[in-house]
Amino acid sequence: QSALTQPASVSGSPGQSITISCTGTSSDIGTYNDVSWYQQHPGKAPKLMIYAVNIRPSGVSIRFSGSKSGNTASLTISGLQAEDEADYYCTSYTSNTTPVFGGGTKLTVL
Amino acid sequence: QVQLQESGPGLVKPSETLSLTCTVSGGSISIYYWSWIRQPPGKGLEWIGYIYNSGSADYNPSLKSRVTISVDTSKNQFSLQLSSVTAADTAVYYCARDREFGHWGQGTLVTVSS
Repeated sequence: QSALTQPASVSGSPGQSITISCTGTSSDIGTYNDVSWYQQHPGKAPKLMIYAVNIRPSGVSIRFSGSKSGNTASLTISGLQAEDEADYYCTSYTSNTTPVFGGGTKLTVL
Repeated sequence: QVQLQESGPGLVKPSETLSLTCTVSGGSISIYYWSWIRQPPGKGLEWIGYIYNSGSADYNPSLKSRVTISVDTSKNQFSLQLSSVTAADTAVYYCARDREFGHWGQGTLVTVSS
């Protein structure tokens, strides 16, 4: 199974909105709504931010939202804050019933 | 609140077997999915495999021939064994709960070196 494709980096200024894409195939994102997003700060464990495409776990800011169209899922962060600077990873379950991660995106808050 | 804690040797010799344990507190290990995920230094995340229903397991196809995940419900622990390791297996190893990986351990660095 191939890794999902994410941009290596994105950036934005405080207060702006940014979107991170995650592209898969019809064997994963295109068929299954098991898409999740994780935030990872340096030296820390990843934190679940979105699951089932667009559901926020309890405690996650409403500034984080998820969506999906075709074989591509997206994470949008609105009202960008300095603390949002981190690496972001997507996952999707596949036709093999196993999950695959994206390569990760480094978000820089300018 | 569930907590997960990885433990095991931080240094493993090439060709040997890497063994790690994840101890779960604050909840029963008899339900949920329990995964191992790794992250080589400076690189992205890779799912290794999971165990569920107190014994069924699925593995990453690229690692399947070398991986075994098992569970000890009496100790509320699950374990990872990765055989025939090379330097490419050097990584921070995380344990996590749920199919969505909603809860993570802090991670433990395992270095493969002679």
